[in-house]
Amino acid sequence: KQEVTQIPAALSVPEGENLVLNCSFTDSAIYNLQWFRQDPGKGLTSLLLIQSSQREQTSGRLNASLDKSSGRSTLYIAASQPGDSATYLCVLFGNEKLTFGTGTRLTIIP
Amino acid sequence: NAGVTQTPKFRILKIGQSMTLQCTQDMNHNYMYWYRQDPGMGLKLIYYSVGAGITDKGEVPNGYNVSRSTTEDFPLRLELAAPSQTSVYFCASRWEGAKNIQYFGAGTRLSVL
Repeated sequence: KQEVTQIPAALSVPEGENLVLNCSFTDSAIYNLQWFRQDPGKGLTSLLLIQSSQREQTSGRLNASLDKSSGRSTLYIAASQPGDSATYLCVLFGNEKLTFGTGTRLTIIP
Repeated sequence: NAGVTQTPKFRILKIGQSMTLQCTQDMNHNYMYWYRQDPGMGLKLIYYSVGAGITDKGEVPNGYNVSRSTTEDFPLRLELAAPSQTSVYFCASRWEGAKNIQYFGAGTRLSVL
């Protein structure tokens, strides 16, 4: 059974700093890995999707990496802004199903 | 495209009542999913469907039923509401294939008292 862990559960950093969110998983037999953000009371918004055969994806200030051999993914956020405050979820897709991490609650301090 | 639409946004039920959470997508996706998210927890899969007429159980199907008579709609039915079903429910859809991301609805916040 796939298990997805995100550490830390919460993170606060001053505005402008670069930061890294971590995700680890137990089963490397995945089709893809997605990073989502969830704002309070809202649905989930997909940020980046990395295919199983890929090592990283970039979108604007976001960069996500995937290392299946070690069961890890990271989400790098450059030059953080208050609008980046949200919960970030690492989600693995395999066997027609998604497995969600419990998320990292990120707060950017102005 | 409206994407994935869920109704209602909020609902309070009494123990033993029944209700249907509606989910509609207009992207012609063949895969649809229902998840629940409990406070401080990750999302857990309740049921999913890979196409009209096909449904399968996820991790936590007990107390729920689904149907998929059309590609667009994937309603979730609670027959006898229990306090343990207090949660936020998310519907999602995607097109088959590893390249395709999953789109989520805004969620339905359900309280069973």
